[in-house]
Amino acid sequence: AQSVTQLDSQVPVFEEAPVELRCNYSSSVSVYLFWYVQYPNQGLQLLLKYLSGSTLVESINGFEAEFNKSQTSFHLRKPSVHISDTAEYFCAVTAGGSYIPTFGRGTSLIVHP
Amino acid sequence: SQTIHQWPATLVQPVGSPLSLECTVEGTSNPNLYWYRQAAGRGLQLLFYSVGIGQISSEVPQNLSASRPQDRQFILSSKKLLLSDSGFYLCAWSVSGSGQPQHFGDGTRLSIL
Repeated sequence: AQSVTQLDSQVPVFEEAPVELRCNYSSSVSVYLFWYVQYPNQGLQLLLKYLSGSTLVESINGFEAEFNKSQTSFHLRKPSVHISDTAEYFCAVTAGGSYIPTFGRGTSLIVHP
Repeated sequence: SQTIHQWPATLVQPVGSPLSLECTVEGTSNPNLYWYRQAAGRGLQLLFYSVGIGQISSEVPQNLSASRPQDRQFILSSKKLLLSDSGFYLCAWSVSGSGQPQHFGDGTRLSIL
């Protein structure tokens, strides 16, 4: 079975600063990896995904994540955050032939002015 | 394009009362459907999933049940609510097959008094 660890429950950062949200997974088989964002009182929205190919994937709003197989990580980064990026971020992994993801417990990104 | 509708957005119910939450998906056929619960400050807990009409798999024992009477309709029910049933309930769908991302509804905030 797979598992996902989001090492930071909360990450405070100032506006325009860079940020990295960490995600590590464990699985004995090949994986698909996802990052979702959740704004208050809303559902989760897919931010980006890694299925195969290039290990660096990007979203339309400036976030990127890199799949590192040797370190079993899929960290999310943004070089300059905005107030509007304040939200909960969830990392998820689907392993092998499964279609049911395992979610991390989430990281609350708090962007201060 | 595909859309997912979930209602009601908020619900306040007394202990011991019944529950029915509904979720419908438009713009796709034979989706996988999921019900999650998100307790305050915690991650996502998968409650039920379905790969087809009348096919329901339960992930955790509880006093909730789910039904899929139509291809794109997923219903979460309870005969008698408990205080511990309070939380944020999320419906999601995905294309069938491994490695597919999930798409979430806006959730129902359920408060039990």
